[in-house]
Amino acid sequence: QKEVEQNSGPLSVPEGAIASLNCTYSDRGSQSFFWYRQYSGKSPELIMFIYSNGDKEDGRFTAQLNKASQYVSLLIRDSQPSDSATYLCAVTPPAADKLIFGTGTRLQVFP
Amino acid sequence: EADIYQTPRYLVIGTGKKITLECSQTMGHDKMYWYQQDPGMELHLIHYSYGVNSTEKGDLSSESTVSRIRTEHFPLTLESARPSHTSQYLCASSSNSNQPQHFGDGTRLSIL
Repeated sequence: QKEVEQNSGPLSVPEGAIASLNCTYSDRGSQSFFWYRQYSGKSPELIMFIYSNGDKEDGRFTAQLNKASQYVSLLIRDSQPSDSATYLCAVTPPAADKLIFGTGTRLQVFP
Repeated sequence: EADIYQTPRYLVIGTGKKITLECSQTMGHDKMYWYQQDPGMELHLIHYSYGVNSTEKGDLSSESTVSRIRTEHFPLTLESARPSHTSQYLCASSSNSNQPQHFGDGTRLSIL
């Protein structure tokens, strides 16, 4: 089992819809959770981070964390074609000085 | 806005050359990282550093080496480049492991 798992996609949603991206992690003691967006040929850029159970909202983005079920999700409301990218989930395991990245989910938003 | 810089952005060079990829950050971050990523593939951590004079190997074995003589600078060196080293190399930094990592723009390396 991979430490951080994501469905590779592609996830295709129409413009204006809600895109829901999911990520599960194996180490129950993981403490910090991050979502990055990566356009093709570019470097990852941070979208959101979350540390506590529940929801965290920033504009059209909402991160949801459920530590009991060991998953973290990212909701994108009013999806735009410019949101088409690969979304990387990253987790800090306990006693680790590095992030564990998932393989990413490719999102396609079509007009 | 994260201030982390990588040079060069693109490098095409012949086999056997010695290469140094530069990475600098102006945020005073202790933690710095090098990742390797092929097109459409996942990120692989190849080196990281806790701070000055600290270097650690990452999860993916790499023939490259790194040094950390100054907080702001974390160069990566390939002593003798080979075509198998062709990839994108991404540098990142963070203030601690529970804070986000900020990435540079990357160096796209092609070895002929």
